[in-house]
Amino acid sequence: ETGVTQTPRHLVMGMTNKKSLKCEQHLGHNAMYWYKQSAKKPLELMFVYNFKEQTENNSVPSRFSPECPNSSHLFLHLHTLQPEDSALYLCASSLGGASYEQYFGPGTRLTVT
Amino acid sequence: AQKVTQAQTEISVVEKEDVTLDCVYETRDTTYYLFWYKQPPSGELVFLIRRNSFDEQNEISGRYSWNFQKSTSSFNFTITASQVVDSAVYFCALSEASTGGFKTIFGAGTRLFVKA
Repeated sequence: ETGVTQTPRHLVMGMTNKKSLKCEQHLGHNAMYWYKQSAKKPLELMFVYNFKEQTENNSVPSRFSPECPNSSHLFLHLHTLQPEDSALYLCASSLGGASYEQYFGPGTRLTVT
Repeated sequence: AQKVTQAQTEISVVEKEDVTLDCVYETRDTTYYLFWYKQPPSGELVFLIRRNSFDEQNEISGRYSWNFQKSTSSFNFTITASQVVDSAVYFCALSEASTGGFKTIFGAGTRLFVKA
């Protein structure tokens, strides 16, 4: 099993649709992260969960709704998105704490039409 | 406030050339950690190295080397004898102990093209 998996890899959705992104980590980590990567912009941290508890919400619009049922799974629920939300959404996990590196999934390429 | 600056947006080199990727950071913490990640075309970021603020020793791993200088707040990355497989986007990142490590800040990235 690869360390961090994300599904789907590609997603096209209309502005009125509801969809969910899934992330799973097989590394025994405690912390999980959602990042947004847009063209010509630095990685933007969206949400962080540590031991299933949300520790960071980086002023993300409410049309993005995270869910972390356990330390191995992380979801990002999407509804009524805007075209500017089109981006690569990356999931990552770590042991938690400043000194630990993060392990990333391959990302979901989202296009909002 | 914490900040990471990678001033080089894109670098293009010919195979076997050496190349240095620059990273300058800002932080008020005395305890912090610096990272380099590689993002190949496949998309996932791959961890390369971590340094903590108390360890200024340079590190070499094969063709890769890192130069950490607190005096200039820099953590530069050098690839010796570059290869086509080194083509990727490289990110420098900063994590402060005071934030518990959950607010890692990434630089904008440097896209490296290595031509055969």
